[in-house]
Amino acid sequence: AQKITQTQPGMFVQEKEAVTLDCTYDTSDQSYGLFWYKQPSSGEMIFLIYQGSYDEQNATEGRYSLNFQKARKSANLVISASQLGDSAMYFCAMRESMNTGFQKLVFGTGTRLLVSP
Amino acid sequence: DTGVSQDPRHKITKRGQNVTFRCDPISEHNRLYWYRQTLGQGPEFLTYFQNEAQLEKSRLLSDRFSAERPKGSFSTLEIQRTEQGDSAMYLCASSSGQANTGELFFGEGSRLTVL
Repeated sequence: AQKITQTQPGMFVQEKEAVTLDCTYDTSDQSYGLFWYKQPSSGEMIFLIYQGSYDEQNATEGRYSLNFQKARKSANLVISASQLGDSAMYFCAMRESMNTGFQKLVFGTGTRLLVSP
Repeated sequence: DTGVSQDPRHKITKRGQNVTFRCDPISEHNRLYWYRQTLGQGPEFLTYFQNEAQLEKSRLLSDRFSAERPKGSFSTLEIQRTEQGDSAMYLCASSSGQANTGELFFGEGSRLTVL
């Protein structure tokens, strides 16, 4: 079964600095997808970035980039130039199969990020 | 706002009562998901609809839980004879299934507290 591990319960960063949130995964599938979601206190899960297992380049979306190391089974999220509004819970997730008709995501336990002025 | 909406946002009930949550997905999305999130955990998959058909159910979905999507638009999740262990955030998500990433769009959730 697929499993996502996020070992950092909480992270602190100063505004304008970069921060890396760790994520490791376990799967026997050759084809899979990895996601990062942000959950502010309002509760909504906000999609940030996606990496496919066959994508040769690391995904980037604005200030977010995904450091994908397939051999190490890690998919760390890097947030550059942190902003106060980045304070939230961050979840790493993996799609169990590439059957695009059914997106069952398996989530990690999350990392709470606090950005200080 | 054309995002996923859920109602109610908060529900407090006594053990043994029935509760129902409603989810209105993004209008053009034919795929709808329910997830449950307990304190300190990530969301866990409960069930999946494609149009009005319920195609997948997690073992987490006990007999007390029932979900419907009668016309392939909104969905309801009913919990009968609630237990304290049902206290959680119930998240609804939708997708079109056409995006290369297959990303899910989540609502803000319905938080259930069972006393």
